[in-house]
Amino acid sequence: QKEVEQDPGPLSVPEGAIVSLNCTYSNSAFQYFMWYRQYSRKGPELLMYTYSSGNKEDGRFTAQVDKSSKYISLFIRDSQPSDSATYLCAMSAILTGGGNKLTFGTGTQLKVEL
Amino acid sequence: IAGITQAPTSQILAAGRRMTLRCTQDMRHNAMYWYRQDLGLGLRLIHYSNTAGTTGKGEVPDGYSVSRANTDDFPLTLASAVPSQTSVYFCASRPRDGSYEQYFGPGTRLTVT
Repeated sequence: QKEVEQDPGPLSVPEGAIVSLNCTYSNSAFQYFMWYRQYSRKGPELLMYTYSSGNKEDGRFTAQVDKSSKYISLFIRDSQPSDSATYLCAMSAILTGGGNKLTFGTGTQLKVEL
Repeated sequence: IAGITQAPTSQILAAGRRMTLRCTQDMRHNAMYWYRQDLGLGLRLIHYSNTAGTTGKGEVPDGYSVSRANTDDFPLTLASAVPSQTSVYFCASRPRDGSYEQYFGPGTRLTVT
C-alpha cells in the first residue's frame, strides 16, 4: 500500500465549476501538507501548505486537512481553463539525518473546459 | 537568475555513459533535493543535502551520486547510465530550518537508450 493515495483522474469539469481534489495517507508521522500544481513539461509549483487540521484559504483555492481521517483536499472555486494542470499532494516527514522529505501523491490531472 | 535553474533541459544518452545534471539556486536555501518523476510512480527522492558539505540518500539512490561543495550548486551524477534511469529529474530547495515546503526547478528530461 502506498503511503499517499491520489486518484489520477483525468477529471474534466466545465468552466466555473467547483473542483475537489483529494488525497488519503497512512503515515501518522506526516505533519505538513502541501499542494502543488504542475503544468505539462514544467516543474511543480507550490500552491498552498498547511500544518493543522481545518481549512486554509487563498483566493479561489481552499486546502482542507482532516488528520483524524488522514484525508486532505484542495478545492478550486470558479475554475478557469488556466487551472488545467496536474495537481500533486505532498506530505512532510522528518528524515533520519535531519531535515525533511516530501512524499507525493501521483497527481490528479484536471481539465477545465470552456 | 531567480530561483532554481537546471541544465540541460533535455538529453539523450547512450547506456553506459556518464552524465551530470546541474542544479543551481540563488535563494541561499540550505537544503536541496533531487527527485525523479515517472508516470504512475510520482516524484521519488533520490538524494538530498541539508547544508553545504553534507548529503544523504533518499528512497531511490542506486546508480546516482551527488555532491554539495557550496550552498548554490547540487549536481547529480549518473556514473554509468541504464535505460531504467530514463525519467524527468527535478531539483528542489527548502528555504530554511523549520520550513517544510520545497520549491522546484524546471526539470531535466533524460532518455537513456
